[in-house]
Amino acid sequence: DAGITQSPRYKITETGRQVTLMCHQTWSHSYMFWYRQDLGHGLRLIYYSAAADITDKGEVPDGYVVSRSKTENFPLTLESATRSQTSVYFCASREGRFGNTIYFGEGSWLTVV
Amino acid sequence: DAKTTQPNSMESNEEEPVHLPCNHSTISGTDYIHWYRQLPSQGPEYVIHGLTSNVNNRMASLAIAEDRKSSTLILHRATLRDAAVYYCIRGGQGAQKLVFGQGTRLTINP
Repeated sequence: DAGITQSPRYKITETGRQVTLMCHQTWSHSYMFWYRQDLGHGLRLIYYSAAADITDKGEVPDGYVVSRSKTENFPLTLESATRSQTSVYFCASREGRFGNTIYFGEGSWLTVV
Repeated sequence: DAKTTQPNSMESNEEEPVHLPCNHSTISGTDYIHWYRQLPSQGPEYVIHGLTSNVNNRMASLAIAEDRKSSTLILHRATLRDAAVYYCIRGGQGAQKLVFGQGTRLTINP
């Protein structure tokens, strides 16, 4: 009963490197989300997906790429990491549209040096 | 834009009730109101949600104003473990995404 898991939990990378954060859910939820949370701030939506092969931009998509070839996986890629992308990244999933509970992962702490 | 307004911070004492307010004056008739909370170093977790009527569950109660322009999350007897950031979020039935605001940081004093 893993639920929603993120990997890696902690990563330090260098400016300009490509980084991929993985997200896996075991419920077959149709919706998946990526949020970022900067120190002392609320969550901001980066990308979301309504189903496999369907993705859409959130509030802060620049510098990020997502894909969803399988329902259970929703990887987030930073194509060329910048220091401003140092943040905590949360993946989440939900069955159906608004009105149902969103379940969050434990977060991936990313530092770009 | 599905914005809500919450106080930045609130403080209460252990074993006392806590009332966390949320203003959503532009809410539409089909918008639900959800509350999530985020404990330190964890992802947010669901607390409660409602549409028009007041709602109760094992964690909290949600009181929704008659005009639905505001709501209040009620923790009946706060514990130290309730110290967290509480987010009030609104969205319609067809909404695909949730937009989080800044939330209210709740401090519980022993």
